[in-house]
Amino acid sequence: KNEVEQSPQNLTAQEGEFITINCSYSVGISALHWLQQHPGGGIVSLFMLSSGKKKHGRLIATINIQEKHSSLHITASHPRDSAVYICAVRWRGEKLTFGTGTRLTIIP
Amino acid sequence: DAGITQSPRHKVTETGTPVTLRCHQTENHRYMYWYRQDPGHGLRLIHYSYGVKDTDKGEVSDGYSVSRSKTEDFLLTLESATSSQTSVYFCAIREVNTEAFFGQGTRLTVV
Repeated sequence: KNEVEQSPQNLTAQEGEFITINCSYSVGISALHWLQQHPGGGIVSLFMLSSGKKKHGRLIATINIQEKHSSLHITASHPRDSAVYICAVRWRGEKLTFGTGTRLTIIP
Repeated sequence: DAGITQSPRHKVTETGTPVTLRCHQTENHRYMYWYRQDPGHGLRLIHYSYGVKDTDKGEVSDGYSVSRSKTEDFLLTLESATSSQTSVYFCAIREVNTEAFFGQGTRLTVV
């Protein structure tokens, strides 16, 4: 079984702050996904990565395969970034194992 | 947005009744998944499909069955609903080595 741990569980920050959310897993993977879920809303894929780093707008995702660790960064955070951020890993075939999510609140 | 829709979006049903949730895609993706989301848990896989008539169990499959008779539709059936199956259900689709796309979710309440 692949254990996926996210930290922190909850994060509150002021608008403009640099945000980091962490994800670690226990077994080697083929890919890692970062997802976003707004309150009462659907789930949106932000990134899929298997090595290195990806950037999209103010969002940056990195992964260290050797350390079994990934981070999601948000620069110049904004209240609309408030959401639950979910890490998921693909490690056996085409199934995904999910973390429990990080609830991010950005205060204006 | 990926073409994936779930129906119904909300349902209240009585214990012991059968319930079917539908996931429909227009993307011709090979893989389709049903997950449930509950407080304190990550999304948990119920069943998934890797092709027409090809399905496999996930980690929380007891009490659920699925069918995929054509590429675009993946049905989740609760044969006899129980209160423990009150949850939000998400369908997702993927192709090999691609990101996942999720439906908007179905909120099911079993009373």
